Amino acid sequence: DTGVSQNPRHKITKRGQNVTFRCDPISEHNRLYWYRQTLGQGPEFLTYFQNEAQLEKSRLLSDRFSAERPKGSFSTLEIQRTEQGDSAMYLCASSPVEMGMAQHFGDGTRLSIL
Amino acid sequence: AQSVAQPEDQVNVAEGNPLTVKCTYSVSGNPYLFWYVQYPNRGLQFLLKYITGDNLVKGSYGFEAEFNKSQTSFHLKKPSALVSDSALYFCAVRAAFLTGGGNKLTFGTGTQLKVEL
Repeated sequence: DTGVSQNPRHKITKRGQNVTFRCDPISEHNRLYWYRQTLGQGPEFLTYFQNEAQLEKSRLLSDRFSAERPKGSFSTLEIQRTEQGDSAMYLCASSPVEMGMAQHFGDGTRLSIL
Repeated sequence: AQSVAQPEDQVNVAEGNPLTVKCTYSVSGNPYLFWYVQYPNRGLQFLLKYITGDNLVKGSYGFEAEFNKSQTSFHLKKPSALVSDSALYFCAVRAAFLTGGGNKLTFGTGTQLKVEL
């Protein structure tokens, strides 16, 4: 069990640029989640996948955000035309599909918008 | 809608003393409840969960939590605190039964635990 892996760990970019983050879940986990965490707050749900299907999206996920999990393994989260308010820690988690199982988190990607 | 309240932004305790970090929740139906710990610039580490059964659940690193349905609380406890327990603690909830499936967690705002010598 190598845990959830996220890359890059840090991303600094100028406002208006596009960025993409990658998440590799624990290999036997069917479910994959994306959360966003801002300073002083708990993580906020963005979206989740079961295998390759995106089953739920939060209203926080504007049209500039898109997530994919094309083969049911790794996932990418893309933000287009970044804004200052996108600065946050983006966390990925994975879990088995069975009810009540804990989600296991990666160390996140910290995005800073200049 | 589901929600979590962690009423204390910070808890200070002396090493060796018992600690309690408070959490109350609101959810439709029965809850699944979780505690996570976060160290600086790291993700969240799972500590323990309540799904069903005994109200007192035991988890990692000597932590335990007590589920109280009547008070809608799930307080985190440890009999003897260590300096290394100093970190940010999050309580999270989801409904046991969701229409449309899913496992979305709703987190509290976190409680900073500081254990001093």
